[in-house]
Amino acid sequence: DGGITQSPKYLFRKEGQNVTLSCEQNLNHDAMYWYRQDPGQGLRLIYYSQIVNDFQKGDIAEGYSVSREKKESFPLTVTSAQKNPTAFYLCASSTGQGNGETQYFGPGTRLLVL
Amino acid sequence: AQSVTQPDIHITVSEGASLELRCNYSYGATPYLFWYVQSPGQGLQLLLKYFSGDTLVQGIKGFEAEFKRSQSSFNLRKPSVHWSDAAEYFCAVGANQAGTALIFGKGTTLSVSS
Repeated sequence: DGGITQSPKYLFRKEGQNVTLSCEQNLNHDAMYWYRQDPGQGLRLIYYSQIVNDFQKGDIAEGYSVSREKKESFPLTVTSAQKNPTAFYLCASSTGQGNGETQYFGPGTRLLVL
Repeated sequence: AQSVTQPDIHITVSEGASLELRCNYSYGATPYLFWYVQSPGQGLQLLLKYFSGDTLVQGIKGFEAEFKRSQSSFNLRKPSVHWSDAAEYFCAVGANQAGTALIFGKGTTLSVSS
């Protein structure tokens, strides 16, 4: 089955700790995205990548970092600089071909602070 | 500024009744419009999208939406709601550029009463 997987489903972070959220896709998509979802706020873009070894900051990139070393993987690190990390994190991918391309979403990771 | 507005935060509809969820957008170029649905704790699933052509778009699960350029709207409709339609619905707008992120509304939560 083709799709997007995110792990873990739940993640707990201690004060001062960096944590990494995994996102893997086997759709052969060039573009990948990270969104943060807070209740009543919709989805806000953290980072996106249009191609391997390249990525751009979204609207709320402060306190986050990403890498794109492989086409199928786009991990997100929540650093200790992110003071309010509790949220639901969604990864998405698309073909990167334009023409109204659809973004497909993973099941999400819920990050909680201890 | 580019934005998407979903005026209704929460709507309750009786099972079997019709449904209309509102979406208004502000976008400088030709918009590509999407409706996604999210069940609690899950990722987003695409219901339908408007890319070009016929302004009345049919989607999955019996949903449809109509693009009205003059009103900057893309309202979602369903003639008869089922209890399983209870979820959160997001409208989003995107550009005709490869690998660009979507701009999401804040969502409308749909409750279905029996």
